[in-house]
Amino acid sequence: QSVLTQPPSASGTPGQRVTISCSGSSSNIGSNTVNWYQQLPGTAPKLLIYSNNQRPSGVPDRFSGSKSGTSASLAISGLQSEDEADYYCAAWDDSLPVFGGGTKLTVL
Amino acid sequence: EVQLVESGGGLVKPGRSLRLSCTASGFTFGDYAMSWFRQAPGKGLEWVGFIRSKAYGGTTEYAASVKGRFTISRDDSKSIAYLQMNSLKTEDTAVYYCTRDNVVPPHNWFDPWGQGTLVTVSS
Repeated sequence: QSVLTQPPSASGTPGQRVTISCSGSSSNIGSNTVNWYQQLPGTAPKLLIYSNNQRPSGVPDRFSGSKSGTSASLAISGLQSEDEADYYCAAWDDSLPVFGGGTKLTVL
Repeated sequence: EVQLVESGGGLVKPGRSLRLSCTASGFTFGDYAMSWFRQAPGKGLEWVGFIRSKAYGGTTEYAASVKGRFTISRDDSKSIAYLQMNSLKTEDTAVYYCTRDNVVPPHNWFDPWGQGTLVTVSS
């Protein structure tokens, strides 16, 4: 059972906007920043969003993050086939990292 | 280029030991805490533990599932982090990843990640 709660799956068609939610508590998301990681099939995780809404160099601006209270969201606009991947939210809780169980995004 | 490369994975019998290595390049290894994660087949990411930099005591923290069996260490002169795994169980079967902790208080994120090394625990 993961500390952060994500929907197990999400889907969209090319060009569509999709959002993935991440729910936590006051001890993790409520008091720390949220990061998102993308894991393409058969590859290692990659940092997608850090500090709630910051994109590392090289990440397209189609990806955006937000946080409100004890929840966070990842939005992907202009969905592309190469966005099909697993997405994980993460935060810190009592100085230890906690993750969501991951959301498998399918591009229909 | 900042890079992490894991090695040392393989097939091991239950109850035996294995040591994984994470070799870093492209940055000042000693300035960073390093973490290990794992991912069982078809499952999500699980944090295993981390080791702080020497500036913060070089101390370690572990997930409850591995505490007392796994030990993380580091050799800053070689830019290598290690994961010593003892008393291995079948449920430790996973791909193991190392990653660098990036801290800009109050923010903290993991980047980059190594390519992973597969550990299979089976008789």
